[in-house]
Order: sequence, then structure tokens, then C-alpha cells
Amino acid sequence: DQQVKQNSPSLSVQEGRISILNCDYTNSMFDYFLWYKKYPAEGPTFLISISSIKDKNEDGRFTVFLNKSAKHLSLHIVPSQPGDSAVYFCAASESGNNRLAFGKGNQVVVIP
Amino acid sequence: EAQVTQNPRYLITVTGKKLTVTCSQNMNHEYMSWYRQDPGLGLRQIYYSMNVEVTDKGDVPEGYKVSRKEKRNFPLILESPSPNQTSLYFCASSLTPGGAPDTQYFGPGTRLTVL
Repeated sequence: DQQVKQNSPSLSVQEGRISILNCDYTNSMFDYFLWYKKYPAEGPTFLISISSIKDKNEDGRFTVFLNKSAKHLSLHIVPSQPGDSAVYFCAASESGNNRLAFGKGNQVVVIP
Repeated sequence: EAQVTQNPRYLITVTGKKLTVTCSQNMNHEYMSWYRQDPGLGLRQIYYSMNVEVTDKGDVPEGYKVSRKEKRNFPLILESPSPNQTSLYFCASSLTPGGAPDTQYFGPGTRLTVL
């Protein structure tokens, strides 16, 4: 049973435009959310996170928005750059629980 | 340099032949875990360890064993590999178990093929 869901497996966007990735979760006990980025032949690397006490966290070109009532978060990348072409994983965790639940990932292709 | 290393990076083996994938981290992290990545399924946790001699099952532990005799090492053992264990495996470590305030550092991955 997938507790973290990422639909729309792939996204193509023109360089300079905005990329928006969506993530839904089912476990209302999740209180910390993360996005990881993965290039081929490499392990995932941490990108940005947000605590459930916030609704927005920004880091440079990357912003994560959290809507707790909808159990939904999104990652905005603006402006998108060719180096952003990668697979992006949404993940969630619950305080006191030793597990990190991942979504299936979204492939992003930024077209120069 | 802070890192998580895995060996081997690539392995082709046959059904039933025991194998071990090693994982080592140099960050003195207490928490380590193993994931497998399969097409359309994302990353699924196999086992995790809170500290030396403390391990627990993740979402897909069947067919795998782990041990944590030293803080830096967390090997993944397949006693009798089967073709459905063909996958891309990632080891990860973090100071704290989940997300806040630390994050997990992932190794480069081990691509395993079981014939």
C-alpha cells in the first residue's frame, strides 16, 4: 500500500520555465516531508524538506509547498535548468517512527 | 569527504548462490538502512538499523538478512538469491532516523542481477 504517491511519472519542460511536481500522502501522522533528486548511476541526494508546521519552504530555485488538509505537497523549480533533468522522489516520515516512505518518482526532462 | 560506499557496484549471480553487499559510512551516523529500487515501484525499504546490534524489518524484508556489528558497516545478505531480487540496491545513513533535522545520505547503488 503506497503511502506516498507521485502521479504523472514524467514531465518535460522548457528551460527557464517552471517545473511543478506533485505528491500526495495518505498517512496523516507524517510530519516531515522531503524531496530527493536522483541522476542515473548515482544514489538519491537530498534536495529540500518541509516540516508539517510550515506550509512553504524555499531554497534558491526550489520551493516546496505543503497543504496538510489535502495531504498534498508540491515542488516548484523555477527557472528550470538542463541540469535539473533527473528523477525526483517525494518522501515522508513520522516522528518516532524509524521509516521513510518514498513515492515512485517523477522523471523531469528540461529541454534546452 | 562524507560518504556512503557500497560494494560491489555491479553483480551478476545465479539463483541460490549466497552473496553479501557491503555498505560503509564515515559520518558516525547511528541510523542506516537498505532500499531497493524497481521500475514503477520507487524506493522500498528492506531493513534498517537504529544502532549497533539493533535492526528491524522495513517494507520488503523477505529473502534478506542484515547485521550491524559495527557502527560504520551495514551489510546486506542474500542467503539464497532468486530472480525476483534482481534490482538496484541503495544503502543510506543518517544521524536521525527519519527526516528532521538530518537527512539520509545514499550510497551510489548496487545493481544486482540474479539469473
